Amino acid sequence: QKEVEQDPGPLSVPEGAIVSLNCTYSNSAFQYFMWYRQYSRKGPELLMYTYSSGNKEDGRFTAQVDKSSKYISLFIRDSQPSDSATYLCAMSNSAGGYQKVTFGTGTKLQVIP
Amino acid sequence: KAGVTQTPRYLIKTRGQQVTLSCSPISGHRSVSWYQQTPGQGLQFLFEYFSETQRNKGNFPGRFSGRQFSNSRSEMNVSTLELGDSALYLCASSLNSVNTEAFFGQGTRLTVV
Repeated sequence: QKEVEQDPGPLSVPEGAIVSLNCTYSNSAFQYFMWYRQYSRKGPELLMYTYSSGNKEDGRFTAQVDKSSKYISLFIRDSQPSDSATYLCAMSNSAGGYQKVTFGTGTKLQVIP
Repeated sequence: KAGVTQTPRYLIKTRGQQVTLSCSPISGHRSVSWYQQTPGQGLQFLFEYFSETQRNKGNFPGRFSGRQFSNSRSEMNVSTLELGDSALYLCASSLNSVNTEAFFGQGTRLTVV
């Protein structure tokens, strides 16, 4: 079983919809939780990162972490065609003085105009 | 501020050959990590370098190696290429090895025929 599980999708939604992307994990040592967006033929770009449980909002994006359930979510409000991309969750824990990052496999999102 | 630069962008090699990929991190960043991305496995961690020292290594065979120079530029080498090595190889730089805010390059698309 993988340490981080993410539904690969694809997820197809109409423009303006609220999108919910999720990941579950098994390693309770994970401390930092991140979401990356990756457009086709590009490297991933960091969208948001949070430390421990709680919510963090940035514009149309909200990241949510529930450590008790080992579950993280990314919500996108008023989704736009430009949000069409693959979204990767990532988590890290301290290992020997540095952070070891584990990625989910990514969820492909398509926002239809 | 220039981003992470990876060269070359595309490579086609035959089985048994070796290949060297290059990564120039963001100026001032001392940590460079390498990842292999494939459709089935997602992003898999190869190794991380900080101040010319390999600090962390993923579960890849010894055919995969890397190094970092005093100017923080990094190279990775794959010897005796196999068909299964075909992937997008991504480099990420961060300020230091405890900083989880990593910035990715566009990647090198390696095809082994």
